[in-house]
Amino acid sequence: GQNIDQPTEMTATEGAIVQINCTYQTSGFNGLFWYQQHAGEAPTFLSYNVLDGLEEKGRFSSFLSRSKGYSYLLLKELQMKDSASYLCAVRDREDDKIIFGKGTRLHILP
Amino acid sequence: DADVTQTPRNRITKTGKRIMLECSQTKGHDRMYWYRQDPGLGLRLIYYSFDVKDINKGEISDGYSVSRQAQAKFSLSLESAIPNQTALYFCATKDREGYTFGSGTRLTVV
Repeated sequence: GQNIDQPTEMTATEGAIVQINCTYQTSGFNGLFWYQQHAGEAPTFLSYNVLDGLEEKGRFSSFLSRSKGYSYLLLKELQMKDSASYLCAVRDREDDKIIFGKGTRLHILP
Repeated sequence: DADVTQTPRNRITKTGKRIMLECSQTKGHDRMYWYRQDPGLGLRLIYYSFDVKDINKGEISDGYSVSRQAQAKFSLSLESAIPNQTALYFCATKDREGYTFGSGTRLTVV
C-alpha cells in the first residue's frame, strides 16, 4: 500500500520563500510529482522527480530523497497568484498508478 | 481545444437518477483515469483504463461504472446517484511524465 503525508495548510508572505514537505511510504516507488491546484480548477503539473536531488524550474524547485521517503517543493519570491493547493503524488512501480496526497493549501499574505 | 474535455461542467441531479459523465481526449494516450475530489480528502481514484479492453477498479469504485468506448473516450456512470457522491470529478490521461487533467465536472446530488 501507499501512504502520503503533507501539511494541511500553510501561510506565507508575498515575496518570501516557503517549503512544502511531503513524506511517503510505498511498496514500489517510481517517481514523485508535484501539482498545483487553484480552487475549483484542475491540477496542473509542476515537477516530476525520479532520482535523488534538487530540480529547479524558475521560482519553483523540487527535492527528492528516496532513502528517506521525502520530498519538498520550494517556492521562492512568492506571489499572490501562488495561493493554491499543492498536491504531492507518488507513482507506484507495480501498477503504474499515481496516488495523491490530500494536498497542502497555501495562503499568501500581502 | 482542450487536450482533455469533460462534459458537463456542472450538474445537479436527484437521488436515484442515473447520470453519465463524459471525457474525451486528443492526446492519443492509452491510459485514462477517473478521480473524485472531496474537501479534505484529496483526489481518490475511481476507475482507470490502460486501453479499450482493459478496465480496472480504483480505491473507491463502489456505486460507479465506466465505459471505454474508444481510445479517446472514457465515460463514468452513476447508476443510482446518492448524495454522498456529490463531489468534483476529474478525468485524466497519462503519459510517461504524468497526468493531464480535464477541467472537472462538479456534480451535486440532491
